[in-house]
Amino acid sequence: ETGVTQTPRHLVMGMTNKKSLKCEQHLGHNAMYWYKQSAKKPLELMFVYNFKEQTENNSVPSRFSPECPNSSHLFLHLHTLQPEDSALYLCASSQENEQYFGPGTRLTVT
Amino acid sequence: GQNIDQPTEMTATEGAIVQINCTYQTSGFNGLFWYQQHAGEAPTFLSYNVLDGLEEKGRFSSFLSRSKGYSYLLLKELQMKDSASYLCAVAGGNTDKLIFGTGTRLQVFP
Repeated sequence: ETGVTQTPRHLVMGMTNKKSLKCEQHLGHNAMYWYKQSAKKPLELMFVYNFKEQTENNSVPSRFSPECPNSSHLFLHLHTLQPEDSALYLCASSQENEQYFGPGTRLTVT
Repeated sequence: GQNIDQPTEMTATEGAIVQINCTYQTSGFNGLFWYQQHAGEAPTFLSYNVLDGLEEKGRFSSFLSRSKGYSYLLLKELQMKDSASYLCAVAGGNTDKLIFGTGTRLQVFP
């Protein structure tokens, strides 16, 4: 596989569920990111990891919990989400300037 | 504050030229990116400008004026497949953090 992959591609969950989103990059990059993309809103940066260390938390609610076990894998653990958290969640990786995005997980919270 | 402005929607005809503008106000500047995003897909990198001037890459060109806080993406010889959203993003004080505009949805008609 090449590039940045994300699973699942679609997820529907209730407000009391716990689920995790997974991202994997096969590019040898050192930095990984989580973004949220809602309709008619700019891409919002959520978290940044450099060499497995979290370097940015963009005031994200604690119901979103990231995990970066190594430079190639990034998780986003979800619990007690709200309907307004429904969005496309994009993972990206980078080595220098250009960020490479995964296909995203379309999340619907019911 | 930090702000990226670009038009919400544009339309153009196949074979024509279209210019998508982006203005920005950020607390730092380490470059400006343009991404293309087709509906339901990941954003893909188009261009990166860090110095003033025009960068040309095939049918696509990107221009930057740092003193004016202004960039444009120029698409020539438009094709139907160019129908997509075009995202302007600025790297602030740290290239790890990109600030995105809301995107410009371009529709190309025959």
